[in-house]
Amino acid sequence: DTGVSQNPRHKITKRGQNVTFRCDPISEHNRLYWYRQTLGQGPEFLTYFQNEAQLEKSRLLSDRFSAERPKGSFSTLEIQRTEQGDSAMYLCASSRGPFGPGTRLLVL
Amino acid sequence: QQPVQSPQAVILREGEDAVINCSSSKALYSVHWYRQKHGEAPIFLMILLKGGEQKGHDKISASFNEKKQQSSLYLTASQLSYSGTYFCGTEPNYGQNFVFGPGTRLSVLP
Repeated sequence: DTGVSQNPRHKITKRGQNVTFRCDPISEHNRLYWYRQTLGQGPEFLTYFQNEAQLEKSRLLSDRFSAERPKGSFSTLEIQRTEQGDSAMYLCASSRGPFGPGTRLLVL
Repeated sequence: QQPVQSPQAVILREGEDAVINCSSSKALYSVHWYRQKHGEAPIFLMILLKGGEQKGHDKISASFNEKKQQSSLYLTASQLSYSGTYFCGTEPNYGQNFVFGPGTRLSVLP
């Protein structure tokens, strides 16, 4: 247990549906990072927050993706109108250290 | 820009040593090392912040040569539990996103 939790751990959805993931970082860490990882690849940076401010977004984060961290604590990542190419493991990291267990998304 | 890792894969016998290298074309503020087992999230191993810094715990250590923009991960007397894919993550400046290398697959055989 790294102290970072993510929910749900697994999500299966049909193409076109919206999904939302949640990350609860280590409480005293003010930075939170989202990554996406596909099979056989390293994690790819999506976005990060310093407290509630979203400071950087990757070009990978299309208009269908949005992330929030409303009170500088937990964060949500929403994918609208999911596509099969969105199938991946979505990882959250607290500060620059521990990752959460990830949410594995499968879009059918 | 993604750092380069070498080798891509390595197979060891239990008790043997291994070195995994990570190099960047950009100046670096920090280097992070992670190990990931199949189907699991990456596990944080260590972060190196200063040029020439070395860190280690148990039989895994790492060095960071800031001038050469390189880091190496040293695994000594490898154990079966060391098997997995090792990723380095590089941070060009404090506060910027860090980018992961493609990974080095390590297999330790009995």
